[in-house]
Amino acid sequence: QSALTQPRSVSGSPGQSVTLSCTGTISNIGSYSYVSWFQQHPGKAPKLIIYGVTKRPSGVPDRFSGSKSGNTASLTISGLQAEDEAAYYCSSYAGYYTALFGGGTKVTVL
Amino acid sequence: EVQLVESGGGSVQPGGSLRLSCAASGFTFSSYWMSWVRQAPGKGLEWVANIKRDGSEVYYVDSVKGRFTISRDNAEKSVSLQMNSLRAEDTAVYFCARGETIPTWDYWGQGTLVTVSS
Repeated sequence: QSALTQPRSVSGSPGQSVTLSCTGTISNIGSYSYVSWFQQHPGKAPKLIIYGVTKRPSGVPDRFSGSKSGNTASLTISGLQAEDEAAYYCSSYAGYYTALFGGGTKVTVL
Repeated sequence: EVQLVESGGGSVQPGGSLRLSCAASGFTFSSYWMSWVRQAPGKGLEWVANIKRDGSEVYYVDSVKGRFTISRDNAEKSVSLQMNSLRAEDTAVYFCARGETIPTWDYWGQGTLVTVSS
């Protein structure tokens, strides 16, 4: 049950787009369309921003979009805003009703 | 309004036990999977355990199998995590979360801190 791989940090200027990657294996991301992304501000609980690879929960801005290719899922934040500065975690179904998280990516708005 | 409120965290010596509880309100509790996810200080998220809607099936991350037990009471709208044989590496904030599927956790509690130290 190894964690999914995410870059430790990504940065961008306001208004720019950034893409976060999440690499797994054929045993998790590569086999299932159950990938979620969570945003977490310091000291707060995680917030679901993408589920089912591409779906956004109600209330999540359409600046956030998800995709998947092979064993890698991606989260794109378009039109970066100051409030997007946070840690982002991917998670994938890993079979037998288990789940894996990535190590998290810290997004910095310059 | 959906609410999940954890309780039961605290400090315990290695080898000790703690029982975490999560009280749910504002939704049909029995319609959702419930999970525990933890976060060690300064570290990332780690899925710990899931329990099916009717409590008939439970699943754990390998590192807690045989030591932790997840359970739920649909009448009381609560989910619990009994943690035995605690180790230093179990030190973390423990979140309860609800999900229609795994890993679609759409609501989370505020978390409760468990510290395992001598």
